[in-house]
Amino acid sequence: AQSVTQPDIHITVSEGASLELRCNYSYGATPYLFWYVQSPGQGLQLLLKYFSGDTLVQGIKGFEAEFKRSQSSFNLRKPSVHWSDAAEYFCAVGAGGNKLVFGAGTILRVKS
Amino acid sequence: DAGITQSPRYKITETGRQVTLMCHQIWSHSYMFWYRQDLGHGLRLIYYSAAADITDKGEVPDGYVVSRSKTENFPLTLESATRSQTSVYFCASSERQGGNQPQHFGDGTRLSIL
Repeated sequence: AQSVTQPDIHITVSEGASLELRCNYSYGATPYLFWYVQSPGQGLQLLLKYFSGDTLVQGIKGFEAEFKRSQSSFNLRKPSVHWSDAAEYFCAVGAGGNKLVFGAGTILRVKS
Repeated sequence: DAGITQSPRYKITETGRQVTLMCHQIWSHSYMFWYRQDLGHGLRLIYYSAAADITDKGEVPDGYVVSRSKTENFPLTLESATRSQTSVYFCASSERQGGNQPQHFGDGTRLSIL
């Protein structure tokens, strides 16, 4: 069965510093992978997705993610974090029938 | 996403009561989903629907009932609420079949069962 692991429950970075959020997936074939962001009291917003082609995908708000099949990873990156990026981030893998399996999430704190 | 609305946003009820959470989407998307979000678990799928009158169980369906008589609506009912069902519930939709289809989420319903 598909599964997603986000090893970091909390991450704190300084404003302006770079960010990398880790995501590892378990899936037999080429996966469909997604990153979502959730601000407090709101639903999830899609940041980016990967389903084929270039392994480096660009998303909204300056985020990017790299698919590495050999490592079963799909890490999210941003070169310079802004205070407004503080939120919870979820990695997800397609599980057939349009279903998604989500990781447990990583809470990002930004310190000024 | 403004195109998918959940009501109520907040609900407090007592154990044993029936409660229905509503979900409405404006796009006529084929697929709709219900998740619950609990600390440390991320989002877990309760039920999903591929089209009107077609529903199926997800990972944690026990204690929940769904229906989908109209494409745009997908209500979730807790027939006899228990404290373990205290959670934040999210509804989502996606446009058509295909594993690469993103899901669009409502803002959630925070449900507390006393």
